[in-house]
Amino acid sequence: SQQGEEDPQALSIQEGENATMNCSYKTSINNLQWYRQNSGRGLVHLILIRSNEREKHSGRLRVTLDTSKKSSSLLITASRAADTASYFCATDASGTYKYIFGTGTRLKVLA
Amino acid sequence: NAGVTQTPKFRVLKTGQSMTLLCAQDMNHEYMYWYRQDPGMGLRLIHYSVGEGTTAKGEVPDGYNVSRLKKQNFLLGLESAAPSQTSVYFCASSYRMTETQYFGPGTRLLVL
Repeated sequence: SQQGEEDPQALSIQEGENATMNCSYKTSINNLQWYRQNSGRGLVHLILIRSNEREKHSGRLRVTLDTSKKSSSLLITASRAADTASYFCATDASGTYKYIFGTGTRLKVLA
Repeated sequence: NAGVTQTPKFRVLKTGQSMTLLCAQDMNHEYMYWYRQDPGMGLRLIHYSVGEGTTAKGEVPDGYNVSRLKKQNFLLGLESAAPSQTSVYFCASSYRMTETQYFGPGTRLLVL
């Protein structure tokens, strides 16, 4: 089955630095979404990018999508300690109701 | 609006016991989903519903049953709990098939 795979699995940076995490998937998609999960909590939606879009911004977040490479990246600029969380990408297969989640990138931002 | 709520928050079961997890959403969403999350793994879809009265199997449906009698509620049942079902269970809902999913806070289940 198709799956989004995040890379790296874990990332540790200093406050103020940028954090970049990547997601690769296997089959054609309609949309790709990024979610954040704080420890012990539910997932919070960050950004949805459609297959015909190449880049989207939301505050300090920038998401790119390259459908030819079947990959996406999430950039968090000027990171803060509060950005410490796990980040997941989720992809849907065209024509299905189902999103497949990757295993996530654990981001730790050091103050 | 409360969004998506789940009850209970935490439960301990013995092998063979049954229980029902309740998910409720107040956003009038058509689509609802049950996922499980295990350490080191992403979320895996158990069952989902595309509207009141409908249910369908996801990626890991064995050992679980669901019902969607009311649009706002989606129930997940374990008829005979097994230790392999120890996990954190998340419910989610969305307005359309390919739109944002809104997640509940999760139910932590321990099966002894």
